[in-house]
Amino acid sequence: GQSLEQPSEVTAVEGAIVQINCTYQTSGFYGLSWYQQHDGGAPTFLSYNGLDGLEETGRFSSFLSRSDSYGYLLLQELQMKDSASYFCAVPHNTDKLIFGTGTRLQVFP
Amino acid sequence: GAVVSQHPSRVICKSGTSVKIECRSLDFQATTMFWYRQFPKQSLMLMATSNEGSKATYEQGVEKDKFLINHASLTLSTLTVTSAHPEDSSFYICSARAGEGAAYEQYFGPGTRLTVT
Repeated sequence: GQSLEQPSEVTAVEGAIVQINCTYQTSGFYGLSWYQQHDGGAPTFLSYNGLDGLEETGRFSSFLSRSDSYGYLLLQELQMKDSASYFCAVPHNTDKLIFGTGTRLQVFP
Repeated sequence: GAVVSQHPSRVICKSGTSVKIECRSLDFQATTMFWYRQFPKQSLMLMATSNEGSKATYEQGVEKDKFLINHASLTLSTLTVTSAHPEDSSFYICSARAGEGAAYEQYFGPGTRLTVT
């Protein structure tokens, strides 16, 4: 089976940097993606890592280490609007997505 | 571009009745649509995958006779919760993918909150 584990909750203050980790166990690997979801809203795509290393998109970066079955999402210059749930996800058989357990980020002033 | 809508956004129904949720891709043709269920403070759980013109593929543990999925066109998929019970109360989210896009290239609808009384 597939499993993706994330910390349940992370807190930080505005302007800080926070890292959300994701460890996975999969049969076959086709990349790791990250999504943001505000309460009651739709998940929105943030980033994708198909190969090892760091991908940077503005204030958000994502890292992947396939040898360690591990990735993280790095959020810099935190803003109040970044308070949301964040999910890592992997494709199953290149097709459907399996989501991680999710991390609730709370940003305080 | 790549907008997916869902209707209704919220619905309350009585136990034993059926409710239909629509998922539409507004500006692209979705060869594949996915239906997820999300309980409060939990992750998205994939219920089924539907391809236009063919039967849906359900995930293990999802009752196909209870959750009827129809993907009648390249822009519309429907999920019907039959004989709903309070435990079916949840947030239902659809997503759509165009053509042969990668798995992560899914566009999510805004979700439908179902409450069964």
